[in-house]
Amino acid sequence: TQLLEQSPQFLSIQEGENLTVYCNSSSVFSSLQWYRQEPGEGPVLLVTVVTGGEVKKLKRLTFQFGDARKDSSLHITAAQPGDTGLYLCAGLPGSNYKLTFGKGTLLTVNP
Amino acid sequence: NAGVTQTPKFRVLKTGQSMTLLCAQDMNHEYMYWYRQDPGMGLRLIHYSVGEGTTAKGEVPDGYNVSRLKKQNFLLGLESAAPSQTSVYFCASSYVLLLAGANTGELFFGEGSRLTVL
Repeated sequence: TQLLEQSPQFLSIQEGENLTVYCNSSSVFSSLQWYRQEPGEGPVLLVTVVTGGEVKKLKRLTFQFGDARKDSSLHITAAQPGDTGLYLCAGLPGSNYKLTFGKGTLLTVNP
Repeated sequence: NAGVTQTPKFRVLKTGQSMTLLCAQDMNHEYMYWYRQDPGMGLRLIHYSVGEGTTAKGEVPDGYNVSRLKKQNFLLGLESAAPSQTSVYFCASSYVLLLAGANTGELFFGEGSRLTVL
């Protein structure tokens, strides 16, 4: 059972545009992480959010954790071709160690 | 700066053959994981280990076995490969960082092992 639903699955935009990727669940997560994966490589952590309502910024990327800790969003401002990749959200349901991943959003930023 | 190393990176098997994927980490992490990644399916957890000598089943364990005899190594075995096991396999390791009761430790991934079963 896939606990985390990501949308959209595919996104193709022009350089300079803004975009938002969503990660939703019916379950509560004690923490949620966003990873970025480039072709031929493993995912790399971008951010971890823990507190409901938390907002974290990483340069042009803004991450938000929902108040009820069931959803999260990733907003990219003025996207660049270097932002191209697969964005994965991953959640920990409770204090265990089994990180569950969403199916990912494949982002393509065209020059 | 090795981090997490997976071998082999590519392998082609015939149905029914067996093989072992090796994962080695040099970060002294307690936790290690094996995931498989298929188009449109994201990363699915096969097995994981919370310490040397311990293993546990993940989301899709059938057809796979694992062993963690040494802290730095986590082996994934396929006893009788099937075409449905064609996939890219990722190993990861992590530390535990508790924050407000939540485990927020980062997963460090290897570069992946692409397995094709004919």
